[in-house]
Amino acid sequence: NAGVTQTPKFRILKIGQSMTLQCTQDMNHNYMYWYRQDPGMGLKLIYYSVGAGITDKGEVPNGYNVSRSTTEDFPLRLELAAPSQTSVYFCASSRDRSSNQPQHFGDGTRLSIL
Amino acid sequence: DAKTTQPNSMESNEEEPVHLPCNHSTISGTDYIHWYRQLPSQGPEYVIHGLTSNVNNRMASLAIAEDRKSSTLILHRATLRDAAVYYCILRDDSGGSNYKLTFGKGTLLTVNP
Repeated sequence: NAGVTQTPKFRILKIGQSMTLQCTQDMNHNYMYWYRQDPGMGLKLIYYSVGAGITDKGEVPNGYNVSRSTTEDFPLRLELAAPSQTSVYFCASSRDRSSNQPQHFGDGTRLSIL
Repeated sequence: DAKTTQPNSMESNEEEPVHLPCNHSTISGTDYIHWYRQLPSQGPEYVIHGLTSNVNNRMASLAIAEDRKSSTLILHRATLRDAAVYYCILRDDSGGSNYKLTFGKGTLLTVNP
């Protein structure tokens, strides 16, 4: 039962470096999400996608980019890493947007920017 | 999403039932009650959800008050693996913000061996 898979699990970046956080799901879900969770805080939505080729901004999109070329994959790109982007990043997916559908999460990528 | 209130922490002993309460006095008729949990160093995990009737699945049971202003997540036999922060969330289909999950502070459940 793979569900939502995120890679890498941990990463340390230097300020100004770039990287891509990978997310893939095998549930054929249309909707996918990227959240960040700072220590002791709740989730904040970065970007979401309602299907292949369609993405939109969440609450905190600055400094990030996404793409959705396939149903399965939803990578998150950091172009110029900044210390404020140190966080745990979670990818999630759901069948649709209805309130009757749960979101399924990956185990997260723990990112430190020094 | 409407507001929920949960105790900050609860303790249980292994193999005993656990009842985690959630108050949601401003719930609307179309709000679903969702429960998630987050184990240490892991992503949030969906547990159960319901609208009006009590619900059971392999992980837990959800008891919803008749007036829907409160609900209780029931873990029938707690294990050490159930130690986590449990979040009660209300979700509805209205508006443009229902894409995101809004977690409050939740209830930190400690399970004693």
